[in-house]
Amino acid sequence: QSALTQPASVSGSPGQSITISCTGTSSDVGGYDYVSWYQQHPGKAPKLIIYDVNTRPSGVSSRFSGSKSGDTASLAISGLQAEDEAAYFCCSYAGGGTYVFGSGTEVTVL
Amino acid sequence: QVQLVESGGGVVQPGGSLRLSCAASGFTFGSYALHWVRQAPGKGLEWVALILFDGNEKHYADSVKGRFTISRDNSKNTLYLQMDSLTPDDTAVYYCAKAVVVIAATPPEYWGQGTLVTVSS
Repeated sequence: QSALTQPASVSGSPGQSITISCTGTSSDVGGYDYVSWYQQHPGKAPKLIIYDVNTRPSGVSSRFSGSKSGDTASLAISGLQAEDEAAYFCCSYAGGGTYVFGSGTEVTVL
Repeated sequence: QVQLVESGGGVVQPGGSLRLSCAASGFTFGSYALHWVRQAPGKGLEWVALILFDGNEKHYADSVKGRFTISRDNSKNTLYLQMDSLTPDDTAVYYCAKAVVVIAATPPEYWGQGTLVTVSS
């Protein structure tokens, strides 16, 4: 149950698009289409923004989208806004009823 | 609206025990799997445990297996985490979270605000 690998930080200017990667193994990301993404602002609880690789919960902006190829999942944020500045964590089902989170990525809006 | 309120955190000595509770409202409690997830100060999220809607199936992270026990009381809309043999590495904010889809063991959707557990002598 090793943490999934994410870049420590990603930055972009307002209006730009950015992508955050989440790399695991065939035992987690690559083995199941059960990757989710969470946004966490400082001092707040995480918020689900993507589940089942590319499904947005009701109320989540369409600027957020997810994808997966092999052992790597990705979160794309288009039209970057100041409010998107936060930490982002991926999460994958890892078999046997267990889950594993990514190491987290700090997004900075320049 | 969905509400999850954790309680029971505090300071405990290494080797000690603590029981966390999570009071839920705003959804059909007995129809959803529930998770515990923790976050050490300044660190990332770590999945801890999952219990299915009826309490008959439970799963744990290797780091807590044999020390932590997840349980639920559907008559009280409450989730629990019994934590034994605590070490300083267990120091974290502990969140309870409701699964995203009814019945199935799906990832966390709604989260509580968390309760801080500090293991220190």
